[in-house]
Amino acid sequence: QKEVEQNSGPLSVPEGAIASLNCTYSDRGSQSFFWYRQYSGKSPELIMSIYSNGDKEDGRFTAQLNKASQYVSLLIRDSQPSDSATYLCAGVARTTDSWGKLQFGAGTQVVVTP
Amino acid sequence: DADVTQTPRNRITKTGKRIMLECSQTKGHDRMYWYRQDPGLGLRLIYYSFDVKDINKGEISDGYSVSRQAQAKFSLSLESAIPNQTALYFCATSGPGQGPGELFFGEGSRLTVL
Repeated sequence: QKEVEQNSGPLSVPEGAIASLNCTYSDRGSQSFFWYRQYSGKSPELIMSIYSNGDKEDGRFTAQLNKASQYVSLLIRDSQPSDSATYLCAGVARTTDSWGKLQFGAGTQVVVTP
Repeated sequence: DADVTQTPRNRITKTGKRIMLECSQTKGHDRMYWYRQDPGLGLRLIYYSFDVKDINKGEISDGYSVSRQAQAKFSLSLESAIPNQTALYFCATSGPGQGPGELFFGEGSRLTVL
């Protein structure tokens, strides 16, 4: 079982709607979480990071973290066709020996339909 | 030009051949990483390096070796390639002030081992 789990999708979202992506993790030591966006044939790009419980908003993106439930989510408001991509969730502990221990989920494919 | 450059971008080789994938960066970052990406498995860390004299194994280092020739260059070698090393390989970097989850990825090198 992977330490970071995501539904592979595809998640089909009408243009203008909210896309909701979920990620669960098994390592309770994980404290920092990241969302990467990867367009088809391209490299991953960091779009959001979240370190504490609650919500963090950046433009049309909102990351949510619930450490008690070991659950991370990403909301994309007003979804656009350009949001069609695979979204990777990743988590790591915030300790001095955390380097090299970032765990990625397999990613959720999002398809925004006009 | 990309900040993190990988060569070659695509390579087809045969079982048993030695392969080197190269990565160079102009971001001035000290930390460099090699990941492989497989469908359904996500990104997995092969090796990472904090500087020229500090190289560490990642989750899946067996069958791979690396060399940090300079602060800006990090190469990955497959001494005797096998078909299950067919994958998309990414080099990544991170710099001072960035945590273990904040990575900048190169464009990727697609390797096919026949």
